[in-house]
Amino acid sequence: EAGVTQFPSHSVIEKGQTVTLRCDPISGHDNLYWYRRVMGKEIKFLLHFVKESKQDESGMPNNRFLAERTGGTYSTLKVQPAELEDSGVYFCASSHRQGGYNEQFFGPGTRLTVL
Amino acid sequence: QQQVKQSPQSLIVQKGGISIINCAYENTAFDYFPWYQQFPGKGPALLIAIRPDVSEKKEGRFTISFNKSAKQFSLHIMDSQPGDSATYFCAARLRANQAGTALIFGKGTTLSVSS
Repeated sequence: EAGVTQFPSHSVIEKGQTVTLRCDPISGHDNLYWYRRVMGKEIKFLLHFVKESKQDESGMPNNRFLAERTGGTYSTLKVQPAELEDSGVYFCASSHRQGGYNEQFFGPGTRLTVL
Repeated sequence: QQQVKQSPQSLIVQKGGISIINCAYENTAFDYFPWYQQFPGKGPALLIAIRPDVSEKKEGRFTISFNKSAKQFSLHIMDSQPGDSATYFCAARLRANQAGTALIFGKGTTLSVSS
């Protein structure tokens, strides 16, 4: 079974540019999460999809961040325009179903550097 | 405000020794406490998890000790091996019927096991 995949693995952009990160969850997983780790800090929750619907987006930092999950499959996270403080590692995770103690499987992350 | 506090930030242990990482929390609505292990270039992977109605859980060389009254939990790695060198994150999750099922992470502990 393929794990969670993320693309690209690294992205270096200038301040003010736009970047789109992609996550492909494990097939059949309804739940998809985005997290971010800024260097030296904790991994922080950004938002949670159940299929194509946003269940919880309380962690999104501001309206420069836009997440979508068309058709309930892969998800994209767009940052427009990017700022220096957006630098960090963006993780995507998926789990089989909501509730219970379902394990969240993490992707390898996308390292975003904003110069 | 950090909801899950993890210590130490880094840890060096001799091969064969015991590694101990501690976490503390405040929110009594947390109902699930996983530990994640992350190797360089990889995403976090679930190592072991515990529910608050259990005081200890052991899986091989890894043990979680949970103290509900003190709101603390810890990871013990017995007979630590160089292959255990990684970053370890404790986490907590709110009950599934409150604000989704996002994980709240500690800042991580970088463990180095010297041979």
